Amino acid sequence: GESVGLHLPTLSVQEGDNSIINCAYSNSASDYFIWYKQESGKGPQFIIDIRSNMDKRQGQRVTVLLNKTVKHLSLQIAATQPGDSAVYFCADRDDKIIFGKGTRLHILP
Amino acid sequence: DAGITQSPRHKVTETGTPVTLRCHQTENHRYMYWYRQDPGHGLRLIHYSYGVKDTDKGEVSDGYSVSRSKTEDFLLTLESATSSQTSVYFCAIVTGASGTGELFFGEGSRLTVL
Repeated sequence: GESVGLHLPTLSVQEGDNSIINCAYSNSASDYFIWYKQESGKGPQFIIDIRSNMDKRQGQRVTVLLNKTVKHLSLQIAATQPGDSAVYFCADRDDKIIFGKGTRLHILP
Repeated sequence: DAGITQSPRHKVTETGTPVTLRCHQTENHRYMYWYRQDPGHGLRLIHYSYGVKDTDKGEVSDGYSVSRSKTEDFLLTLESATSSQTSVYFCAIVTGASGTGELFFGEGSRLTVL
């Protein structure tokens, strides 16, 4: 069946370094993906999205890469800051909006 | 926050009792969703609605029912709560009439079933 999953449950990154969070999806017909950030005690918040007709999309300090051949997408955070500490989810955006399990990003001082 | 309010924010109940969680929105969005979030499982879709009286099942709908009698309210009911339904429940709306806009979440409702 359809699934969306992240590769690692936890990622530790030195403050100031770049972070890369990966996600795999199974539905080859998926055409729209979204990354969300969830801070402790709060609901998920939209970070950035990408459609299947694109390979890359950039936002403020974030970049999403989509590789349709291997059904993989990644979220890159530049110059990671303490405020980036959160759980990050990728989501396959169709009617049902299926989420991956999430990766917790730890920022090391 | 797209005008989403969940109530109650916290509830403790006993096994076998009925529980209703309410999601209220003030911006007339058509699409509304209920998710549960558990450690190791991430966010899982329970039910969603694409209009008044129009609902559909998600990944984990067993043991849950929903109702949408008016645009602004989407109710999630546990007819007979079980300990496995202890979770944090999030309501979400999608902007845009076609459901292709951005997804906004409420602050969550923490339910504990003893």
